[in-house]
Amino acid sequence: SQQGEEDPQALSIQEGENATMNCSYKTSINNLQWYRQNSGRGLVHLILIRSNEREKHSGRLRVTLDTSKKSSSLLITASRAADTASYFCATVTSGGSYIPTFGRGTSLIVHP
Amino acid sequence: GAGVSQSPRYKVAKRGQDVALRCDPISGHVSLFWYQQALGQGPEFLTYFQNEAQLDKSGLPSDRFFAERPEGSVSTLKIQRTQQEDSAVYLCASSLGQAINYGYTFGSGTRLTVV
Repeated sequence: SQQGEEDPQALSIQEGENATMNCSYKTSINNLQWYRQNSGRGLVHLILIRSNEREKHSGRLRVTLDTSKKSSSLLITASRAADTASYFCATVTSGGSYIPTFGRGTSLIVHP
Repeated sequence: GAGVSQSPRYKVAKRGQDVALRCDPISGHVSLFWYQQALGQGPEFLTYFQNEAQLDKSGLPSDRFFAERPEGSVSTLKIQRTQQEDSAVYLCASSLGQAINYGYTFGSGTRLTVV
């Protein structure tokens, strides 16, 4: 079963544009994590945001968390062709076994 | 090592064959996880170790799946009598501590194809 659901399923943009991906989840969380996966590779951890945080930045990445709406967004600014990948959110629920549960991902294509 | 290492990178098995997939986590990482990822899907949790103790195996799809981490470092995921629905990428991840504080480092996975 998958707790988080990313939206959109696929996103195609031009280099230099911003890309926004959303993640919605169902149960209360301890934290939410975003990962990137290039084709045929493992997942790379991008950002972890805790339930008491509202926004975090890392380079060109900005993650927001709205626990009242049970949603998070990942913004990639000034996208590059190298950002082409699948992006997944993973939720760690409160009071559970602290095992991240992944969504189905957003496939991002950045055209040069 | 510098990262999480998985072997083999690719495995083709005939239906009914047993397979063993290996994961070498980052040295000193206490937590180790196995996930199964079908094509076009997100990773699905299989099992979790803290050191050598298997704390959660609720995600293992059947009793044909077995995982071990006898010395608290290298882990092996074994699938007995493989079936076509077992075809997937098997990902291993390790973490310094619990995921309440840390993200995971994933290996590149083993792509299993059952023919």
